[in-house]
Amino acid sequence: TQLLEQSPQFLSIQEGENLTVYCNSSSVFSSLQWYRQEPGEGPVLLVTVVTGGEVKKLKRLTFQFGDARKDSSLHITAAQPGDTGLYLCAGAVTGYALNFGKGTSLLVTP
Amino acid sequence: SQTIHQWPATLVQPVGSPLSLECTVEGTSNPNLYWYRQAAGRGLQLLFYSVGIGQISSEVPQNLSASRPQDRQFILSSKKLLLSDSGFYLCAWIVGAGLYTGELFFGEGSRLTVL
Repeated sequence: TQLLEQSPQFLSIQEGENLTVYCNSSSVFSSLQWYRQEPGEGPVLLVTVVTGGEVKKLKRLTFQFGDARKDSSLHITAAQPGDTGLYLCAGAVTGYALNFGKGTSLLVTP
Repeated sequence: SQTIHQWPATLVQPVGSPLSLECTVEGTSNPNLYWYRQAAGRGLQLLFYSVGIGQISSEVPQNLSASRPQDRQFILSSKKLLLSDSGFYLCAWIVGAGLYTGELFFGEGSRLTVL
């Protein structure tokens, strides 16, 4: 059973377009994290959201944590080829380990 | 500074052969350590985590095992590899105030192909 469901699984867009990816669960999380991974490398943390309804901005990336702390979204404005990668959401179920979704694979073409 | 290293980076092994992947961290003490596996460029599956020397928790029952012989060393092993063990193995440790607000730092990864 996948604890965190991410959608869409794949997304191919052109440079300059906007996009939103989603991370959903039936469980409540104390926090959710978003990571970005490039081929052949480990994921790198983008942001941690803690408070229900919280919105965080990181340049052209906007992250939102749902009011009920069961879901999160990542919106990218004016996507660039450098945004290409696998976007993963992660949440803690126990006090010791993070569980990851399957990810959204984003391709931004010039 | 705090760093994490894992090796080997690439490994091609026949079915039934043993496996040993090693991960070490520097610049910290008593870190929480993790082994994840990623298949076909998709999501990460948590395999093992350790909160201290000799303390191993397994998330997924399989023919893999983990050990933590020293504070900053985490080893992933198998006595007999299966085809399904192929994947990208990532070691990680937690940085920050704790799991709920801390950051997972990942090693460079080890790509295992079982033939």
